[in-house]
Amino acid sequence: QVQLQESGPGLVKPSQTLSLTCTVSGGSISSGSYYWSWIRQPAGKGLEWIGRIYTSGSTNYNPSLKSRVTISVDTSKNQFSLKLSSVTAADTAVYYCARELTVAGKNNWFDPWGQGTLVTVSS
Amino acid sequence: DIQMTQSPSSLSASVGDRVTITCRASQSISSYLNWYQQKPGKAPKLLIYAASSLQSGVPSRFSGSGSGTDFTLTISSLQPEDFATYYCQQSYSTPPSFGPGTKVDIK
Repeated sequence: QVQLQESGPGLVKPSQTLSLTCTVSGGSISSGSYYWSWIRQPAGKGLEWIGRIYTSGSTNYNPSLKSRVTISVDTSKNQFSLKLSSVTAADTAVYYCARELTVAGKNNWFDPWGQGTLVTVSS
Repeated sequence: DIQMTQSPSSLSASVGDRVTITCRASQSISSYLNWYQQKPGKAPKLLIYAASSLQSGVPSRFSGSGSGTDFTLTISSLQPEDFATYYCQQSYSTPPSFGPGTKVDIK
């Protein structure tokens, strides 16, 4: 079955850019009616959706982060990536990638998820 | 953006108990509501999608109901492996948003 795995630096300095990659295995990132999403969770807190990409390259971002977020896809590597610029301590969180199944545009759900990777913003 | 709330924020229950968690949306979301279970140090796991559809492989003691603004997740007989935090999530509009979670722990 499809599995997702996040990778990237665990420590990022304030004002720099956080960069993470999600590698999809067990299936093609290009197949099916799926979006590919990033979601984060600060320690002890709830889940915040960051944004999504379709394999066509179309993207949607959370308005709260839109000015700082870029999500891209590399279908040849079966990967999609997240860049978050100008980070502060408030961006410290576990970052998850997830497949988002879409049915008729509204009936969407996240499954499966990657295991998550902790990114700490600190000098 | 659609705001999601959950109640209670936490509860204590015993094995075998029937547990009900409520999720409310700030506006009508039809049946575009999903439920996830998260255990400490793990990623969330999809339990219920489209308000009442059980994800493949999820035990039948989990069920979901509701439409519009009010939704319920029910665990008919709590098992030791069910102690976790549960989140609802709306997919009616972008950005998709999650409830704050309900922590279920051992009484």
